[in-house]
Amino acid sequence: QVQLVQSGAEVKKPGASVRVSCRASGYTLTDFGLHWVRQAPGQSLEWVGWINGGNDNIKYSESLRGRVTLSRDTSASTDYLELSSLTSEDTAVYYCARASTVTTGSLDFWGQGTLVTVSS
Amino acid sequence: EVVLTQSPDFQSVTPKEKVTITCRASQNIGTALHWYQQKPDQSPKLLIKFASQSISGVPSRFSGSGFGTDFTLTINSLEAEDAAAYYCHQSSHLPITFGGGTKVEI
Repeated sequence: QVQLVQSGAEVKKPGASVRVSCRASGYTLTDFGLHWVRQAPGQSLEWVGWINGGNDNIKYSESLRGRVTLSRDTSASTDYLELSSLTSEDTAVYYCARASTVTTGSLDFWGQGTLVTVSS
Repeated sequence: EVVLTQSPDFQSVTPKEKVTITCRASQNIGTALHWYQQKPDQSPKLLIKFASQSISGVPSRFSGSGFGTDFTLTINSLEAEDAAAYYCHQSSHLPITFGGGTKVEI
């Protein structure tokens, strides 16, 4: 069965960077796009970025551009999100979610979420 | 960016009631609109894809409709386990965007 398993919670100081991993099983990573979405406490969902199934196209949220990097290790079936220059505004649960097609579409499977807390 | 406006923000209902949640897009997105349910401390779960397509394992009391800019999620005969937040999401244009959410309280 399809599963997305994310790395554990992180606590970071302002100005630091964080890397969150998302390991896929039950399907081939390059057959589907993957989105990253975050949710601040008590808030709605916010798109962070996307990598398509073919590994040849990555898009980022304009509000995070310059601070966010998505990458993929196909051999490990794992995607990574790195966010730098953290502020308290980045405190949120970060989710990876599989798209229903090689590009985008509905988000049919989600990771369990990774809480990133930014605090001095 | 496509803005999705959901209403209502909050709805308090009793079991067996019918619930209707609307999602309005700021531009035509065809049927590229999806609905999710999120319970406290859980990841969102896909309920309806492409406006009206059902998802295997999701109870048949959940249904969706709409095209273009106006969409509706309907929960027929609400059950206690349906207490959750509901979000719409559009995949027509990047950036993908989400509605502000509707919290349904039983």
